[in-house]
Amino acid sequence: QKEVEQNSGPLSVPEGAIASLNCTYSDRGSQSFFWYRQYSGKSPELIMFIYSNGDKEDGRFTAQLNKASQYVSLLIRDSQPSDSATYLCAVNIRYDQFYFGTGTSLTVIP
Amino acid sequence: EAGVTQSPTHLIKTRGQQATLRCSPISGHTSVYWYQQALGLGLQFLLWYDEGEERNRGNFPPRFSGRQFPNYSSELNVNALELEDSALYLCASSPTGEGYTFGSGTRLTVV
Repeated sequence: QKEVEQNSGPLSVPEGAIASLNCTYSDRGSQSFFWYRQYSGKSPELIMFIYSNGDKEDGRFTAQLNKASQYVSLLIRDSQPSDSATYLCAVNIRYDQFYFGTGTSLTVIP
Repeated sequence: EAGVTQSPTHLIKTRGQQATLRCSPISGHTSVYWYQQALGLGLQFLLWYDEGEERNRGNFPPRFSGRQFPNYSSELNVNALELEDSALYLCASSPTGEGYTFGSGTRLTVV
């Protein structure tokens, strides 16, 4: 079992819709959780991180964490074509070391 | 504030050769992390350097090695290159617990 699993997609949503990206992790000792966006041919950039159960909102992005279910998600409201990218989920399992999922490809259709 | 810088951007090597990749972390960050992102695979942890010492190593053969200099910049060396070493190599630095800031990466192609 992989430490972090994501649905590879591709996920397609129309412009203006809500995109929902999901991630599960295997280590119950995981402390912190991160979402990165990676455009094709570019390096990942940090969008959000979350430590506590519940929701965390930042602009159009909401991260949701459920430690009991070992599940973290990212919601993108009012999706824009510029949101089309691969979204990577990362989990901090050991001090200063992260495990990454393989990413979910999102396409926002104008 | 300058971000994480990596060089070169692209590198083409022949199988069996050695490749050297370089990284400078964000000013004030003492840790450097190296990751490999091969096509179709997630980011795989390679090496973590902090204060000049190797702190942790991923599941890669010994021909992947590196070092960290007194100014906290780092070098990743890959010896005896194989075709499957072709990948995007990413360097990152991080204040503890706040997630990585990645450099723009080095695209290594082994032919």
